[in-house]
Order: sequence, then C-alpha cells, then structure tokens
Amino acid sequence: QKEVEQDPGPLSVPEGAIVSLNCTYSNSAFQYFMWYRQYSRKGPELLMYTYSSGNKEDGRFTAQVDKSSKYISLFIRDSQPSDSATYLCAMSDGTISNFGNEKLTFGTGTRLTIIP
Amino acid sequence: NAGVTQTPKFQVLKTGQSMTLQCAQDMNHNSMYWYRQDPGMGLRLIYYSASEGTTDKGEVPNGYNVSRLNKREFSLRLESAAPSQTSVYFCASSDLNPGAAWPQHFGDGTRLSIL
Repeated sequence: QKEVEQDPGPLSVPEGAIVSLNCTYSNSAFQYFMWYRQYSRKGPELLMYTYSSGNKEDGRFTAQVDKSSKYISLFIRDSQPSDSATYLCAMSDGTISNFGNEKLTFGTGTRLTIIP
Repeated sequence: NAGVTQTPKFQVLKTGQSMTLQCAQDMNHNSMYWYRQDPGMGLRLIYYSASEGTTDKGEVPNGYNVSRLNKREFSLRLESAAPSQTSVYFCASSDLNPGAAWPQHFGDGTRLSIL
C-alpha cells in the first residue's frame, strides 16, 4: 500500500462547478500538507500549503485537512477552464534526515478538465 | 523571475549513451532535488542535496549520479542510458528550516527518451 493514495481520474466537470480533489494517507506523522498544480508539459507549482488540521482558503481554493481520518481535500469553487490541470497532493512529517534533507511524499496526481 | 531553470527541455538518446541534465536556481535555496515522473508512479526522488557540498540518494538512485557544483547548480548524469530511464525529469529547490517543511519549487522538466 502506498503512503499516499490519490484517485488519478480523469475528472471532467462543467465550468462553474465546485470541484473536490482528495488524498488519503497512512503515515500519522504527516503534519505539513501541500497541493501542487501541474499544467501539461510544465513543472508542478505550489497552490496551497497547510499545517496540521483545519481549513485554509485562498480565493477560489480551499484546502482541508482531517488528520483524524488521514484525509485531505482541495475544493475549487466557480471552476474555470484555466483550472484544467493535474493536481498533486504532497505531505511531510517535517523531520530532517541525517543528511539535512526533508522528504516530501507525493500522490500520483488527479487529472482535471473543466468543460466550457 | 527565472526560479528553477532546467536544460535541455527535450533529449533523445540511444541505449548506452551518456548525458548530463543541468539545473540552476536563483532563489538562494540551500536544498536541491532531482525527481523523475512516470505515468501512474507520481514523482519519485532520485537524489538530493541538502546544501552545497553534500548529496545523497533518494528512492530510485540506480543508474544516476549527481554533482552539486555550487549553491545554484545541481546536475544529474546518466552514465549509460537504458530504456527504463525514459521519463520526465524535474529539478526542484527549497529552503531548509529544521522542524518545518518548506515547499519545493520545480523547474519545467526535461523530457528524455532512450531508444
């Protein structure tokens, strides 16, 4: 079983709909959670960054973390065609390895298409 | 506002050939990373460098070597390319703060095909 599970999709929704993207994880030590957006033929770009449980809102985007269920979500309100991309979740326990490195564990990504 | 720059963007190699992928960042970050991204596998860490002068293996290091040339530059070398190394390679960088996790910033990738 992977440490982080993410439904690969593809997910297609009409413009203006609310989108819900989710990841589950098994490592209870994870406490830093991120969402990256990756457009086709581009690198991942950081979208949202949260610590511990709770919600964080940024414009049309809301990140939600439920540590008791080991479940994180990203909601996109009033979805636009420009939101069409692959969304990757990533998480960390925040510890530094003996070599001074911190490790991020990524989901495999959900491919989202917003239909005009 | 360049961020993380990777060269080349595309490359086709024959089995057994060697090549070096270049990465440079202008954000004064301490840590740099090399990942490969394959369908259904997500991003997998190949090598990382916590600071100038240090490197260490990630999840999938076999067949690769790295060099942290200075604080800005981190290169990935394939000594004898194999078809299994066909992938998209991403370089990333981040700051480092013990006790916290800093987000990693990615380049746009190098698409490598090994025939």
